[in-house]
Amino acid sequence: GESVGLHLPTLSVQEGDNSIINCAYSNSASDYFIWYKQESGKGPQFIIDIRSNMDKRQGQRVTVLLNKTVKHLSLQIAATQPGDSAVYFCADRFSGSARQLTFGSGTQLTVLP
Amino acid sequence: DGGITQSPKYLFRKEGQNVTLSCEQNLNHDAMYWYRQDPGQGLRLIYYSQIVNDFQKGDIAEGYSVSREKKESFPLTVTSAQKNPTAFYLCACTAAGPYNEQFFGPGTRLTVL
Repeated sequence: GESVGLHLPTLSVQEGDNSIINCAYSNSASDYFIWYKQESGKGPQFIIDIRSNMDKRQGQRVTVLLNKTVKHLSLQIAATQPGDSAVYFCADRFSGSARQLTFGSGTQLTVLP
Repeated sequence: DGGITQSPKYLFRKEGQNVTLSCEQNLNHDAMYWYRQDPGQGLRLIYYSQIVNDFQKGDIAEGYSVSREKKESFPLTVTSAQKNPTAFYLCACTAAGPYNEQFFGPGTRLTVL
């Protein structure tokens, strides 16, 4: 089966700095990728998504970069705020999977004052 | 408000008992999913349903059962056959089409006493 993994389990950044969270995926047939944010004791919230025909997509303070050559996905958060502290998951879907997603184990982002 | 709800938020079960977790959505989404999350880990798929009266096993279906009698409801039963049921359970739904994110409920934390 495929696996979606994160390079670092924890990340600490100073408030106001930019954060970069990385994710590797293994299935070259994956065509859709999503980043979720999960606060403690709550369900994951959608942050941003990207299709495999794109390399970059921007949202409000967030940017997702996709490198299909090395099967790598990253989430960049600009001007990180205390409210950004959470666990961030990447997920991917490969074509023909009946809309199932495979989730990575997550990265805990801690924003330091 | 459109959304997906889960109840109860906390559930305690004695060993040997079956319990049912509720998941309801009013987003008119056709696909629904159940995930299990253990501390410090990602989401693992238990069961999913693409349409009413049809559902498929995920990666860790043993000891669980589901039904999909109505589009808006997808209850999960944790049976006594599940050897280690203490976990955080998340329900999700998604609209038709290949590039739609999954919307998550707030989760149910199940503890076996």
